Amino acid sequence: GDSVTQMEGPVTLSEEACLTINCTYTATGYPSLFWYVQYPGEGLQLLLKATKADDKGSNKGFEATYRKETTSFHLEKGSVQVSDSAVYFCALINNAGNMLTFGGGTRLMVKP
Amino acid sequence: DAGVTQSPTHLIKTRGQQVTLRCSPKSGHDTVSWYQQALGQGPQFIFQYYEEEERQRGNFPDRFSGHQFPNYSSELNVNALLLGDSALYLCASSLLGVAVSAQHFGDGTRLSIL
Repeated sequence: GDSVTQMEGPVTLSEEACLTINCTYTATGYPSLFWYVQYPGEGLQLLLKATKADDKGSNKGFEATYRKETTSFHLEKGSVQVSDSAVYFCALINNAGNMLTFGGGTRLMVKP
Repeated sequence: DAGVTQSPTHLIKTRGQQVTLRCSPKSGHDTVSWYQQALGQGPQFIFQYYEEEERQRGNFPDRFSGHQFPNYSSELNVNALLLGDSALYLCASSLLGVAVSAQHFGDGTRLSIL
């Protein structure tokens, strides 16, 4: 079945540092890929998405590129802020479009 | 424009009891999905409802059941609660038929089993 693997956290960075959170997937067909963010005590918020190979999703300074050859969708940001501290989830929707399959999440902690 | 709303926000039950969680989808959405998120893990798909019928189901026992009403709102029912059912239960809504419709999540119901 479909699966998503992302780097384990926590990832601890100083403010203005560069961020990369790795995500790889296994899926049949051509899934759509997503990054969701979860702030403490809240549900999931869609951060960005990409629907086909070589697409780049971007939002709030974050970006990720759909790499079919490496089955990856790494999340990057050039300069993190304290307010970016949260848990980040990589996810995919398969061709049927019914269910999201999530990775285990990566906690990001940004220190001033 | 109201987003996805869930109730209650927190709930405490004991083993063997039954629980009902409720979800109102984002305005304009017709499909509701339920996910279970155990502490420190990613959400796991329970099932999805559209036109008042279950469209797809994840790997959860029959103790987990659901319902969708004509106004698209939904309920998740769990019978014979186990300690392992303690989790954050997330509802997500979307619009079926729209290509790659991103699912919008509520803030969840935190269920604790004693």
